[in-house]
Amino acid sequence: AQTVTQSQPEMSVQEAETVTLSCTYDTSESDYYLFWYKQPPSRQMILVIRQEAYKQQNATENRFSVNFQKAAKSFSLKISDSQLGDAAMYFCASREVISNFGNEKLTFGTGTRLTIIP
Amino acid sequence: DGGITQSPKYLFRKEGQNVTLSCEQNLNHDAMYWYRQDPGQGLRLIYYSQIVNDFQKGDIAEGYSVSREKKESFPLTVTSAQKNPTAFYLCASSSPPGGGALRPLHFGNGTRLTVT
Repeated sequence: AQTVTQSQPEMSVQEAETVTLSCTYDTSESDYYLFWYKQPPSRQMILVIRQEAYKQQNATENRFSVNFQKAAKSFSLKISDSQLGDAAMYFCASREVISNFGNEKLTFGTGTRLTIIP
Repeated sequence: DGGITQSPKYLFRKEGQNVTLSCEQNLNHDAMYWYRQDPGQGLRLIYYSQIVNDFQKGDIAEGYSVSREKKESFPLTVTSAQKNPTAFYLCASSSPPGGGALRPLHFGNGTRLTVT
């Protein structure tokens, strides 16, 4: 079974600065996919960014980018030019196949609460 | 607009009562999931269903039951056997394997269940 670890329960960053959220995972799969989700106070889960494990190039979505270190099983999220709207819980997740029928599930980390300081 | 609807947003029940949480999607997704969220524990998988009339237990299925009679609907029943039912419940769906490896989960807005 896959495990996902987020070792930073809380982080804060000054508005307009850059912050990096850490995530490590453990998997026996050779092919897998990694995701970062954001959960604002509304509690809606919003996809931030996603990465295919076989791709060496780090994914980027506007101000959000990842540092994917496959050998170290690390998948950190960098938020540049932080904005007040970035304040949320951030969850790292990995997708694994859980049956011969192609059933899949996402395994989530415990989350990092990000606070933006005006 | 396509999406996932969970109702109600807040639900209150007395201990010992079964309660059913609704989840409806109009995204034409085959796969649907139920997650439970507790403070400090992230999201944990309760049940999932890949196709109609089929569903599988997730990591914490004890005390829960589901049905999948229609593609659009995946209701979750929290039974009296669930020892700590108070939590935030999230329903999600995704397109089937082969629909694109990076297909994400689409989530509903969740139901906050409080049992006293």
